Amino acid sequence: DAKTTQPPSMDCAEGRAANLPCNHSTISGNEYVYWYRQIHSQGPQYIIHGLKNNETNEMASLIITEDRKSSTLILPHATLRDTAVYYCIVRGQGGKLIFGQGTELSVKP
Amino acid sequence: KAGVTQTPRYLIKTRGQQVTLSCSPISGHRSVSWYQQTPGQGLQFLFEYFSETQRNKGNFPGRFSGRQFSNSRSEMNVSTLELGDSALYLCASSYGTGNTGELFFGEGSRLTVL
Repeated sequence: DAKTTQPPSMDCAEGRAANLPCNHSTISGNEYVYWYRQIHSQGPQYIIHGLKNNETNEMASLIITEDRKSSTLILPHATLRDTAVYYCIVRGQGGKLIFGQGTELSVKP
Repeated sequence: KAGVTQTPRYLIKTRGQQVTLSCSPISGHRSVSWYQQTPGQGLQFLFEYFSETQRNKGNFPGRFSGRQFSNSRSEMNVSTLELGDSALYLCASSYGTGNTGELFFGEGSRLTVL
C-alpha cells in the first residue's frame, strides 16, 4: 500500500478555508485517496474519497492532481468543531487502511 | 440506523490476563476490520473479516486473534496481555471488501494493562 506524507500541524482562522495537503507519490492506478478525521479519543470519521477526479460533499472538497501524486482537502469555512487530526490515506483493496501520523488542525477564533 | 457498536468501552486488565472485545457492525455490513491506536505507533491495522473469513492480517503477534460470526458481529482476543497492549482498539465496518466504500468506525474500546 502506498504511503502518505502530511504536515504534522496546521492552524486556520475560524471562518476561513482550511487547505490540508497530502503527498502520495507512490500511489498506484487502482488506489483511492481517502480522508478521515479524528477528534480526540473518538473513532475516525469519514470525510471524503476520490480516485482521480475532484470530489465535493457537504463536509469538504478533495482536489487530486492530474498525476495523482498529491491531493488537498479543503474545508471551505472552518469552525472550531473542525479542530481534529486529519488523516490522508491511500487505500488498496478491502478494509485495510494504512494511517500515517496525520495533520493536527487547530481552528482558532 | 445504528452505528458500529463496541463493547466494553473501557476496561482494565493485568499483565498475563486475556481480553475479548466485541464489535457489532452497522446492519447489512459484512466486513469488519480492527485497528489498534497507541500514542507511539498511531493507528495500526490488525485484521479484517468478511463472511466469517479472515481476509487480511496486519503485523501483530499471534497473541492477537479474531473471529467473525454468521451475523457479522466480530470479536478480537488478546492473550497473555503485556503493558504495551494498552491502547484504544477500534472496529470499522463496511458493506463489502472493495476499496470504494466508506469504513465506519466505532468509538473504540480503551484497554489499560497494569
